Amino acid sequence: GQNIDQPTEMTATEGAIVQINCTYQTSGFNGLFWYQQHAGEAPTFLSYNVLDGLEEKGRFSSFLSRSKGYSYLLLKELQMKDSASYLCAVGPPYSGGGADGLTFGKGTHLIIQP
Amino acid sequence: DAGITQSPRYKITETGRQVTLMCHQTWSHSYMFWYRQDLGHGLRLIYYSAAADITDKGEVPDGYVVSRSKTENFPLTLESATRSQTSVYFCASSDRGEGLNTEAFFGQGTRLTVV
Repeated sequence: GQNIDQPTEMTATEGAIVQINCTYQTSGFNGLFWYQQHAGEAPTFLSYNVLDGLEEKGRFSSFLSRSKGYSYLLLKELQMKDSASYLCAVGPPYSGGGADGLTFGKGTHLIIQP
Repeated sequence: DAGITQSPRYKITETGRQVTLMCHQTWSHSYMFWYRQDLGHGLRLIYYSAAADITDKGEVPDGYVVSRSKTENFPLTLESATRSQTSVYFCASSDRGEGLNTEAFFGQGTRLTVV
């Protein structure tokens, strides 16, 4: 089975940096995904890590340590529009990275204050 | 329009009624999924499909039925709706491809209330 933990809520200031952590325990692993979800909207893809290390994409970066079962999403130069829920998800061990369904954490609600 | 669309966006039904939620994608993605999202649980996989006429159970399949006669459509049926099935339902699709990154694209969701 899969168990994914992430903080329920975080607050940060506009222009600052925030790190959202995710830990997972799985019977198999084939990639870790981060999705963003604004209130009342669909989740949208942010990043994917399958190898250890940091993946950078503009203001967003994602890090993975497979040996520790740990990932984080780093958001820089925070903007008010970054207020959303951030979902950590793990792909099953037998697919090409999530194609057989993802297991999601409960999400971290990020509040950006002026 | 290209993309993935769900219908209806909102539905209220009575306990015991059969309800079908529709999902249509225009990318010809092989894989399609149904998730439900509830407070305190996050997104949970109900059913998924690897191709037309191939479906499999996810984490919470009880009370649901799916079919996939065409690649682009993946309807979800609640055979006899219960209040515990009140939720927001998301359909998603992805292209398995050869690479490891198989990003899933989500529809806008259907908010279902069972009274």
